[in-house]
Amino acid sequence: EVQLVESGGALAQPAGSLRLSCATSGFTFYHYVMSWVRQAPGKGLEWASAITGNSEDTYYSDSVKGRFTISRDNSDNTLYLQMNSLRVEDTAVYFCVKGSTGDRPYYFDTWGQGTLVTVSS
Amino acid sequence: EVVLTQSPGTLSLSPGERATLSCRASQSVNSNYLAWYQQKPGQAPKLLIYGTSSRPTGTPDRFSGSVSGTDFTLTISRLEPEDFAVYYCQHYSNSRTFGQGTKVELK
Repeated sequence: EVQLVESGGALAQPAGSLRLSCATSGFTFYHYVMSWVRQAPGKGLEWASAITGNSEDTYYSDSVKGRFTISRDNSDNTLYLQMNSLRVEDTAVYFCVKGSTGDRPYYFDTWGQGTLVTVSS
Repeated sequence: EVVLTQSPGTLSLSPGERATLSCRASQSVNSNYLAWYQQKPGQAPKLLIYGTSSRPTGTPDRFSGSVSGTDFTLTISRLEPEDFAVYYCQHYSNSRTFGQGTKVELK
């Protein structure tokens, strides 16, 4: 069974930093694109970032580009999101999401339960 | 970038009724790359339909997807109590953006 378990969500100050982790199991991790999708309270889904299986390519939405860094450790089957220069508008539940393949086009076939990031002074 | 517009915003129906949800793309897109996700309150989204009309293992056959031009449709043939949720579409050919969602609520 595919499992994605996020951690690292917390209360952070504006301009602060957080690092999210996603521990995975049940599939061959390095074969698949992995993404982070976020959801602000009461709002819809917003894709934030993606990384290919071998970490060769990373992708970011305009709203997080230059502030967030996605990475993965294929030896540990773990996905990360380093979040710097946090803003109030980054407040959201962050979902770790498995892509359906190792390259485009891919849909999101498995989602973690999410971890809450709150940015507030 | 493709913009997906879902309608209606809210659909108020009773169990046993048919639900028809629309997702319109802002420009011509590959009709094979549309996914639908279901999200219940307090839960993560779950893949419902991929490839416009394919159901992953576990999706009941009362859920079906179709397309006509740039208009994609999710149909729930007979609503079950567990189907009341928010539904999001996503075109995944070159974009990762989602529609804004349609809430199916109990009438």
